[in-house]
Amino acid sequence: SYVLTQPPSVSVAPGKTARITCGGNNIGSKSVHWYQQKPGQAPVLVIYYDSDRPSGIPERFSGSNSGNTATLTISRVEAGDEADYYCQVWDSSSDHPVVFGGGTKLTVL
Amino acid sequence: QVQLQESGPGLVKPSQTLSLTCTVSGGSISSGGYYWSWIRQHPGKGLEWIGYIYYSGSTYYNPSLKSRVTISVDTSKNQFSLKLSSVTAADTAVYYCATTADLTGWAFDIWGQGTMVTVSS
Repeated sequence: SYVLTQPPSVSVAPGKTARITCGGNNIGSKSVHWYQQKPGQAPVLVIYYDSDRPSGIPERFSGSNSGNTATLTISRVEAGDEADYYCQVWDSSSDHPVVFGGGTKLTVL
Repeated sequence: QVQLQESGPGLVKPSQTLSLTCTVSGGSISSGGYYWSWIRQHPGKGLEWIGYIYYSGSTYYNPSLKSRVTISVDTSKNQFSLKLSSVTAADTAVYYCATTADLTGWAFDIWGQGTMVTVSS
């Protein structure tokens, strides 16, 4: 089945920009979704269709996807952004259509 | 606004069947266009998709769990359910129900709060 690879951790200072990557074979040809999960809470969709934001998600969250890498970018990082972030794709050609990345722990220094 | 709520036993004995229900409120499970999923998360680990069901009853399961999983829907109660048979300690996890649709590129835009299930004698 399709594999998504994320770095286990990313650290960033408040006010700076965090970039979390999600690698996959020709991932640019797929729609990538991103979730934020804080401790003890359910995941929250923050980006869908590579770069669209659901209502209520700050404009500081953006996404891009090209080639073999999708990227979640968080601008002007705040302490409240500290969380685990997961990427996900829907691989309709596979017998395992829903694939999640392993997750990235974002630490705000 | 659609909301999801999981319910079921928090403790299941090894070799028994885990049974959970997800109640949908604020919308109809029969409205079409949405797929109703179960996702789990082992303690301290990432997300694992279990399977989904459409209101018509069509299902699709994670191949690694397929032999033990049954997802069903009860449109009269606006609920869908998960049964996982022959459980072991490896099935201890937080179980989430979630919904996805073509509108969002099959992203899971609504999640339940999750329910912790422990498999232990």
